[in-house]
Amino acid sequence: ELKVEQNPLFLSMQEGKNYTIYCNYSTTSDRLYWYRQDPGKSLESLFVLLSNGAVKQEGRLMASLDTKARLSTLHITAAVHDLSATYFCAVELHSGGGADGLTFGKGTHLIIQP
Amino acid sequence: NAGVTQTPKFQVLKTGQSMTLQCAQDMNHNSMYWYRQDPGMGLRLIYYSASEGTTDKGEVPNGYNVSRLNKREFSLRLESAAPSQTSVYFCASRHRAYEQYFGPGTRLTVT
Repeated sequence: ELKVEQNPLFLSMQEGKNYTIYCNYSTTSDRLYWYRQDPGKSLESLFVLLSNGAVKQEGRLMASLDTKARLSTLHITAAVHDLSATYFCAVELHSGGGADGLTFGKGTHLIIQP
Repeated sequence: NAGVTQTPKFQVLKTGQSMTLQCAQDMNHNSMYWYRQDPGMGLRLIYYSASEGTTDKGEVPNGYNVSRLNKREFSLRLESAAPSQTSVYFCASRHRAYEQYFGPGTRLTVT
């Protein structure tokens, strides 16, 4: 059974600071996704990481994937209030490009204070 | 394009009542999914459909049935609702090996 663990589950930080969210998973997979969810809203795709060593950046967010360590990180640089949201990582069990659903972590609730 | 749409947005049911949640996508995606989200939890997969005419169970299928009506539509049915099915339900779709796109969600309360 695939398990996905995120930490921390809750993070309060100040604007301008840097921080990293970690996502560990239990079974071999080389396909990992990061999503953002605002309160009462749906999920928005942030990054798709498809191979070992993949690194993607968008604005102040950077995601990476280490399939050997079964670890992905989401790094926030110089946080701003607009990044306050819940961030989920999700792993696809069968990474052969099929139709399998995703297994999600519990999410990291991020609050960025002025 | 509307993307993934879901109806209704909100619903209150009494224990034992039945209802169907509707989902449609206009992106010509092959695969569609139903998830539920409970407070403090990530999303959990209920059922999915790899293509028109096929459906498979996910992590938490008990108490639910699905129908892939055509390539666009994938419905989720609760035959006899229970309070444990109070949740937010998300439908998603994807094209082959790309990321999943999520609908706006249906907030269901079972009393």
